[in-house]
Amino acid sequence: AQRVTQPEKLLSVFKGAPVELKCNYSYSGSPELFWYVQYSRQRLQLLLRHISRESIKGFTADLNKGETSFHLKKPFAQEEDSAMYYCALSGGWFGNEKLTFGTGTRLTIIP
Amino acid sequence: DTGVSQDPRHKITKRGQNVTFRCDPISEHNRLYWYRQTLGQGPEFLTYFQNEAQLEKSRLLSDRFSAERPKGSFSTLEIQRTEQGDSAMYLCASRDRDRGRGNTEAFFGQGTRLTVV
Repeated sequence: AQRVTQPEKLLSVFKGAPVELKCNYSYSGSPELFWYVQYSRQRLQLLLRHISRESIKGFTADLNKGETSFHLKKPFAQEEDSAMYYCALSGGWFGNEKLTFGTGTRLTIIP
Repeated sequence: DTGVSQDPRHKITKRGQNVTFRCDPISEHNRLYWYRQTLGQGPEFLTYFQNEAQLEKSRLLSDRFSAERPKGSFSTLEIQRTEQGDSAMYLCASRDRDRGRGNTEAFFGQGTRLTVV
């Protein structure tokens, strides 16, 4: 069974402070991990995926297979980062197609 | 807007009525998914189509739920004899075919919010 855990439902951070949103997963195989974001009144959209190894809007996430984690980080929070963030998992290449989501973390940036 | 579109955006129905939702994926995306999201939860997978073939169904999809994608383009999700527990946001997503770079990005629609009273 595949599962994604986001332990924090709510996270408030001051503008300019570092941000870390936690994500742990369980999957028997090599999963692909994603972070999706939903800004107010907008649709769910992909923020980043682990295979891209990109920094998007200043966010990065490293897959740690030993700790089965995929935490999302940003060194300096900005007000426009306030949103709902979902960690998600999918079977690796040629694996199952569906996304399994965590329960989400609502990030609020305090001005 | 060339993204995934869903119709209607909101639906209020009485318990016991049937409802049908429509999803138009991004053109030429051969993979289409339905998810359900309840308050405080992340989206939960319901079913998946590759072209017109329904390849996977979640155990969440009771026999009151049926989904179709008759021509491999738009899809419909029907709920028969609705119950209050069916109240949720129903999300549709589409993806391009696998081009050998891992799972391609899933693009989501804005969802249909169903309220069963």
